[in-house]
Amino acid sequence: KAGVTQTPRYLIKTRGQQVTLSCSPISGHRSVSWYQQTPGQGLQFLFEYFSETQRNKGNFPGRFSGRQFSNSRSEMNVSTLELGDSALYLCASSLGRENHGYTFGSGTRLTVV
Amino acid sequence: KQEVTQIPAALSVPEGENLVLNCSFTDSAIYNLQWFRQDPGKGLTSLLLIQSSQREQTSGRLNASLDKSSGRSTLYIAASQPGDSATYLCAVHSYGGATNKLIFGTGTLLAVQP
Repeated sequence: KAGVTQTPRYLIKTRGQQVTLSCSPISGHRSVSWYQQTPGQGLQFLFEYFSETQRNKGNFPGRFSGRQFSNSRSEMNVSTLELGDSALYLCASSLGRENHGYTFGSGTRLTVV
Repeated sequence: KQEVTQIPAALSVPEGENLVLNCSFTDSAIYNLQWFRQDPGKGLTSLLLIQSSQREQTSGRLNASLDKSSGRSTLYIAASQPGDSATYLCAVHSYGGATNKLIFGTGTLLAVQP
């Protein structure tokens, strides 16, 4: 079966711009989570969506937002980009129950210049 | 607040050696623990998922154990190969407080020398 698909793979943006990243989960998975990975902070949780509802949110500023569509695909948006937003953004898909594991996509590498 | 620590931060071994990676967590209230592998610049590949009621899981040359009461997990890699070189991450799925998220350790960077 197809895995978790993230697009685009690479992005270069200028400070102050906004960006939208996309994630298509494994078919049948209703939970999509987003993580930011940087060398200094490691992997940090951004938010999780289940059946189009945000169930959990990490400690990130309001510039980071997301949504989930009825087909479970998810997008995350970052507005007013800062240099510190440069990171690998990873999406994870799950069936959504506590005892299920997570499957990650290949990530989107965002560079802010 | 759940905290996850991995030791060692880096490890270099000759090909063929058996090795153990360690993961510790501060709060035993977990649903499960998952081990991942990450190649440079790539996403995470799930290796093993251990439920809180389980003691260990095996997949090929990999064996992961879980001791929830002491807050420890180990990943055992048998007969290491150069292709095993990667960063290994453990992550816990906790309950109590904010759930539905993984808390990651900082990883162990493994280099297997041919």
